[in-house]
Amino acid sequence: AQSVTQLDSQVPVFEEAPVELRCNYSSSVSVYLFWYVQYPNQGLQLLLKYLSGSTLVKGINGFEAEFNKSQTSFHLRKPSVHISDTAEYFCAVSESSGGSNYKLTFGKGTLLTVNP
Amino acid sequence: SAVISQKPSRDICQRGTSLTIQCQVDSQVTMMFWYRQQPGQSLTLIATANQGSEATYESGFVIDKFPISRPNLTFSTLTVSNMSPEDSSIYLCSVGTYEQYFGPGTRLTVT
Repeated sequence: AQSVTQLDSQVPVFEEAPVELRCNYSSSVSVYLFWYVQYPNQGLQLLLKYLSGSTLVKGINGFEAEFNKSQTSFHLRKPSVHISDTAEYFCAVSESSGGSNYKLTFGKGTLLTVNP
Repeated sequence: SAVISQKPSRDICQRGTSLTIQCQVDSQVTMMFWYRQQPGQSLTLIATANQGSEATYESGFVIDKFPISRPNLTFSTLTVSNMSPEDSSIYLCSVGTYEQYFGPGTRLTVT
């Protein structure tokens, strides 16, 4: 079974400041890793994904994340945030073996609030 | 990525009643998923719906409470039966495999 821990439930930052949203996972098998963003009253949008290859992955809206297998982490970063980045961010994992089970396991989410 | 729509977008229902949520995709997909997001919580998978087979439910979710239909490769429904206030949640469908794309969600309030 997999689990995802998002270490911060809320992260307030000022506009143009850098931000890091932390995610750790636990799994007995190889995983794929994802970050989703949920803007107020909207569905989830895929921000970025790690499937294989380079451990540094870039996503939309200037976000990037780094997969660290030894630390079982997949932290999300952005060098300079905007007011429009205010949203809930969810880290998620799925087993890379796939088969008939593509279940996504989500963390509890981190509310990023960007203040002027 | 696929374009996914859900109906209704929101509803307020009385306890004891049932609501059927529709999920429509603009392309044929093999796997569809239904998730629940309770207030202030993360997403939890309810079931996986493959066309032509019975839905597979996660632990804690049963078919009598959440019957699912998957009549073709572009459409699925989730029914929330005999609702109670604890069923107040956002219900989302998604498509894909290990990489999933989500619909806008249905916000359900049970009074």
